[in-house]
Amino acid sequence: NAGVMQNPRHLVRRRGQEARLRCSPMKGHSHVYWYRQLPEEGLKFMVYLQKENIIDESGMPKERFSAEFPKEGPSILRIQQVVRGDSAAYFCASSPTGPNQGYTFGSGTRLTVV
Amino acid sequence: DQQVKQNSPSLSVQEGRISILNCDYTNSMFDYFLWYKKYPAEGPTFLISISSIKDKNEDGRFTVFLNKSAKHLSLHIVPSQPGDSAVYFCAASGNQGGKLIFGQGTELSVKP
Repeated sequence: NAGVMQNPRHLVRRRGQEARLRCSPMKGHSHVYWYRQLPEEGLKFMVYLQKENIIDESGMPKERFSAEFPKEGPSILRIQQVVRGDSAAYFCASSPTGPNQGYTFGSGTRLTVV
Repeated sequence: DQQVKQNSPSLSVQEGRISILNCDYTNSMFDYFLWYKKYPAEGPTFLISISSIKDKNEDGRFTVFLNKSAKHLSLHIVPSQPGDSAVYFCAASGNQGGKLIFGQGTELSVKP
């Protein structure tokens, strides 16, 4: 039973390009969460999704960022027109129900914008 | 607005002794608290949680204490082992739905 799979592990983009980060939740998990960790900071909530629905996107920047969790396939976090300040580690987590029994996190995607 | 705070960025402990990691929160609506452990280049790993209706939860070497009146929780690791060296995050959930609010983390170093 594979854990939460994120790819790629490392992603380098030039300013202005698009970044697509993928997350496959654990089997049987229908709740997906995205978090961002900036250097020297804790994890900041971005978005909470269930299949085909965005439940809470209160942590998403208003522009350039979007997320989806389609009926088939992985969840995608998309960042358009990346800027240097988007450089961070992006973690996806999944759970079978809500968060209170602990999410299972993936290993993260480290995005570097040059 | 930092609702969950870990005021000690680092902690160094001798192997075999007790490690105590602290966390304070401001939102009295939080109803669940969790501790995660993180190694470099890996995702956080869930350690232990506690409901706001309890004041203690124990799992092997790990015990979490919750003091609701002080809005304070702590993680005790006894005995500490070198493999416990990692960054520890406390997190809280509650009226914000599915999301967790994380503290900034405390880097624990257990020396042999």
